[in-house]
Amino acid sequence: SQQGEEDPQALSIQEGENATMNCSYKTSINNLQWYRQNSGRGLVHLILIRSNEREKHSGRLRVTLDTSKKSSSLLITASRAADTASYFCATTRPGNTPLVFGKGTRLSVIA
Amino acid sequence: DTAVSQTPKYLVTQMGNDKSIKCEQNLGHDTMYWYKQDSKKFLKIMFSYNNKELIINETVPNRFSPKSPDKAHLNLHINSLELGDSAVYFCASSPPGLAGSYEQYFGPGTRLTVT
Repeated sequence: SQQGEEDPQALSIQEGENATMNCSYKTSINNLQWYRQNSGRGLVHLILIRSNEREKHSGRLRVTLDTSKKSSSLLITASRAADTASYFCATTRPGNTPLVFGKGTRLSVIA
Repeated sequence: DTAVSQTPKYLVTQMGNDKSIKCEQNLGHDTMYWYKQDSKKFLKIMFSYNNKELIINETVPNRFSPKSPDKAHLNLHINSLELGDSAVYFCASSPPGLAGSYEQYFGPGTRLTVT
């Protein structure tokens, strides 16, 4: 069954604004990952955060993880038109289990 | 050089046919995957192979048969294609370890259309 649920389903912002996407999941996890998918392309890994971590940064990206609320957020600061894409969270449970992806958030950054 | 490559990029075929999609990775990874992304962008794992051995099979119909001739290749063969098989199929690979422990590298996808 689907594990992650992203919110909102779609987000439209102006270039330069910050974009925040949320992900909720249902069971305990080993780690949570965020991926970006440009239209017609494969997924690109952005950040992996392990269950014992609370926050990670990578360039303009900031990911938080709250295991008590079973939720994560992805913040993109100073957005650019090139950030327009779908963003997916994916979780893996403890053990040899596969990544389970959410349905994604479609982000549109308007120049 | 492309890290994970798939061929073909587009595949249009009729119901009942048999087709194959090829995947190759040059990252030296031990683990490879096949995913199916439906029209609503929902991405679901189908298979996972570690060093040529099947480790995950997520209740995929047996019309789908993955084959790994070596750890750099994972091909997907589909028999008796059905309309519902229309989707984008992604190959991915990751460093060795428990499935999902590390980031995955995705190929560009193969858009399969069954008419």
